Amino acid sequence: TQLLEQSPQFLSIQEGENLTVYCNSSSVFSSLQWYRQEPGEGPVLLVTVVTGGEVKKLKRLTFQFGDARKDSSLHITAAQPGDTGLYLCAGFAGGTSYGKLTFGQGTILTVHP
Amino acid sequence: DTGVSQDPRHKITKRGQNVTFRCDPISEHNRLYWYRQTLGQGPEFLTYFQNEAQLEKSRLLSDRFSAERPKGSFSTLEIQRTEQGDSAMYLCASSQGRHYNEKLFFGSGTQLSVL
Repeated sequence: TQLLEQSPQFLSIQEGENLTVYCNSSSVFSSLQWYRQEPGEGPVLLVTVVTGGEVKKLKRLTFQFGDARKDSSLHITAAQPGDTGLYLCAGFAGGTSYGKLTFGQGTILTVHP
Repeated sequence: DTGVSQDPRHKITKRGQNVTFRCDPISEHNRLYWYRQTLGQGPEFLTYFQNEAQLEKSRLLSDRFSAERPKGSFSTLEIQRTEQGDSAMYLCASSQGRHYNEKLFFGSGTQLSVL
């Protein structure tokens, strides 16, 4: 079973601060995705990273896939209250688990005005 | 594109009762997934379909759980003899099914409470 460990589990910061969320595994993933989820709603895809070492930017969010494709990080610059939510990393293992997406346990981010 | 629709949004039932949830994926999406999520945790994979074929089932899916997608369109998830531990959000997602790492579109979920 391939597991994804996210840290920290909870993050409470002030508006304007920077933060980083980590997603780690002992297994190799063919690709990783990051989702954001609001209370009472389903997760919404933010980004997919495929290549080891890949960096993608989405406005104030920067996503990185580790060289060995076992880890990823999400960095938010100058956080805003609208960034509050549950952030989830999720990986596609490939092979016999083609199409199956495994999620980390999530990071609950609260940004205070 | 009306998005993934799940029904009902909320279900309260007594322990031992059977419940059935429905998911309508985005039209022409070949792949359909079911996940279970408890408060503050990430979704746990239950099962997924490619068209009408159920390709993988998690060990979490006990004998009391069954999922169908009879014509490759909508899907149902049934839980028999519900237990309090079944209380969770049940999420459905769909994708085009052309690439292994494509975007999943999630519904808003069905929140199940077993009393």
